[in-house]
Amino acid sequence: NAGVTQTPKFQVLKTGQSMTLQCAQDMNHNSMYWYRQDPGMGLRLIYYSASEGTTDKGEVPNGYNVSRLNKREFSLRLESAAPSQTSVYFCASSEIEASGRSGELFFGEGSRLTVL
Amino acid sequence: KNQVEQSPQSLIILEGKNCTLQCNYTVSPFSNLRWYKQDTGRGPVSLTIMTFSENTKSNGRYTATLDADTKQSSLHITASQLSDSASYICVVSNTDKLIFGTGTRLQVFP
Repeated sequence: NAGVTQTPKFQVLKTGQSMTLQCAQDMNHNSMYWYRQDPGMGLRLIYYSASEGTTDKGEVPNGYNVSRLNKREFSLRLESAAPSQTSVYFCASSEIEASGRSGELFFGEGSRLTVL
Repeated sequence: KNQVEQSPQSLIILEGKNCTLQCNYTVSPFSNLRWYKQDTGRGPVSLTIMTFSENTKSNGRYTATLDADTKQSSLHITASQLSDSASYICVVSNTDKLIFGTGTRLQVFP
């Protein structure tokens, strides 16, 4: 059972370059998320998708775009990378409980991005 | 302001010893509280999820407590093992978002 799979695991970019982080989950979850993790800070939500066909901004969306390609896949795109986007990026998925709140989050292994 | 604060920031213990990690929060309205374990270079993995009515919840050698009145939670690790070396993240959920703490980094030495 693969769970949540992210690619690539490592990437180095130059300022202004673009790239897409890919994420896929095999748990049939409706909700998917992109977080970034920086030293000394808690994980911060960039974008999320509550269900196939919908996406919403999180806490730190500037400089990013997302695509919910289908129920399994949720990609994060950096159109013009900046050094401030150097971070570790985590994709996660969850089911939505009957209460409407997110259930247990399942995270991928992370994508470590450096922007020079 | 919704905040989750964890203490200590880092902790070193000897294998076989017990330890307790703390989490204080000012999130409102409260929905649930979660503890995650994050090994170095890996993604976080869920340990427990506690709702308002749950005071204690165990997962093997991990026991989480919740005091919703004082808005405090603790994660107790019994008979620590080398594999417990990791960061432990407290996450509090309100009705529409998750608020993450910055984590406690635990190192267990033989």
